[in-house]
Amino acid sequence: SQQGEEDPQALSIQEGENATMNCSYKTSINNLQWYRQNSGRGLVHLILIRSNEREKHSGRLRVTLDTSKKSSSLLITASRAADTASYFCGTDSSYKLIFGSGTRLLVRP
Amino acid sequence: GAVVSQHPSRVICKSGTSVKIECRSLDFQATTMFWYRQFPKQSLMLMATSNEGSKATYEQGVEKDKFLINHASLTLSTLTVTSAHPEDSSFYICSAREGTAGDSPLHFGNGTRLTVT
Repeated sequence: SQQGEEDPQALSIQEGENATMNCSYKTSINNLQWYRQNSGRGLVHLILIRSNEREKHSGRLRVTLDTSKKSSSLLITASRAADTASYFCGTDSSYKLIFGSGTRLLVRP
Repeated sequence: GAVVSQHPSRVICKSGTSVKIECRSLDFQATTMFWYRQFPKQSLMLMATSNEGSKATYEQGVEKDKFLINHASLTLSTLTVTSAHPEDSSFYICSAREGTAGDSPLHFGNGTRLTVT
């Protein structure tokens, strides 16, 4: 089963711009994780935010979590062409990870 | 960092045959592994949770007799697609959790693209 939705489904930006992706989910969670997937490959873990945290940073990534709205956002600052990929949020509520629908990000050089 | 190796990366098989996909954690022990299925340009759908030394837990709607999962050791889980049909063609991805803490991230294999002709 799929936990929730991400928006936008697709995002095209110019290199150097910021990219913001949103994720909504349905059930209570232990934590929320963001992953990146290059075409035809597995997922790579980017960042994890626990249910009692509201914001977290890692390099050019900033994640927020609003448990009252059951939503999260991922901000990639100063995007690069190499950031082109699909991004998925995964929610952990029973020690298994359920993924949202994903956002396909295209960063134009 | 933790590495998960998935093999084969691509497989083409005839309808009615069975295909085995292996998922190995190379430098850590994984008591729990997860199998996902992904259709083109779609999200990952969790198929089952593989537990070392016990039966797998399947998600609703996943046929356990069709997708056989075996987790015989702390570093190896296998998914066997039995009597494959064209509708089983998909991208299958395994992942493993390092340690037992629920808030540890998953490490993913690079996936197996199965084509059933």
